[in-house]
Amino acid sequence: DAMVIQNPRYQVTQFGKPVTLSCSQTLNHNVMYWYQQKSSQAPKLLFHYYDKDFNNEADTPDNFQSRRPNTSFCFLDIRSPGLGDAAMYLCATSEGQGNQPQHFGDGTRLSIL
Amino acid sequence: QKEVEQDPGPLSVPEGAIVSLNCTYSNSAFQYFMWYRQYSRKGPELLMYTYSSGNKEDGRFTAQVDKSSKYISLFIRDSQPSDSATYLCAMTSDSSYKLIFGSGTRLLVRP
Repeated sequence: DAMVIQNPRYQVTQFGKPVTLSCSQTLNHNVMYWYQQKSSQAPKLLFHYYDKDFNNEADTPDNFQSRRPNTSFCFLDIRSPGLGDAAMYLCATSEGQGNQPQHFGDGTRLSIL
Repeated sequence: QKEVEQDPGPLSVPEGAIVSLNCTYSNSAFQYFMWYRQYSRKGPELLMYTYSSGNKEDGRFTAQVDKSSKYISLFIRDSQPSDSATYLCAMTSDSSYKLIFGSGTRLLVRP
C-alpha cells in the first residue's frame, strides 16, 4: 500500500501558468520534504516542513512555494513555471532528523509547454 | 568537489553476478547512510539504512560503511534482471534533515 502518495503522476502546464502539485501521507510523519530531480541527476532538496515549521533551502528559487495545511498533506506551488522547471518532483516524509530514514512517493513529472 | 561521489555507470552484469556499488564522501559529520533503488519513472525506494561504520545484511543485499576511509558500498548477491535500476547512495548527519545524494549508478542485469 502506497504510504506517500503524489498526485497527479504527470502534469503538463504552460510557460508562466501557475501549477500546484500535491502530496499526502498515511505514515503520520512529522517531516515532509519536496525534492526536484532532473534527468540522470540526484534529487535536490527544495524545502521541508517539520510539523508546521517551514524550512527553505538557500538556493530554492522564489518561484517555488509550499503549503502544509495539516499533517497528512503538503503542496508545492510553482508560481510562474519556466522551461527549466521541467523535472520530476518528489515528496518524502520522515519521523524526524537524520536518524530517521526518508520515504519517497513516486513523484510527479512536470512538463512545461 | 561534490560532497558525495558516485560512479554513474552504466554497470552491466550477467544474471547471477555479484554487484558492487560504491560511494565516497568528504564530510566526516555524516553518520547515517542509505541506499535507495529507483526504477525508471518511479520514486526512490529505501533499500538499506545504516548507522556509522559496519555491515548490514538484508536478504541479497549487504551494505558496508567504512567511516575511516569515507567509503560506503552496497553488494547485491545473485543479481536478477529485476534489480536493473538506478541506485542512489545518500547520507546525512544526526542534526540535519537534508540528505546528500550521490548522482546514482545505473545498473543493468542481463538475463
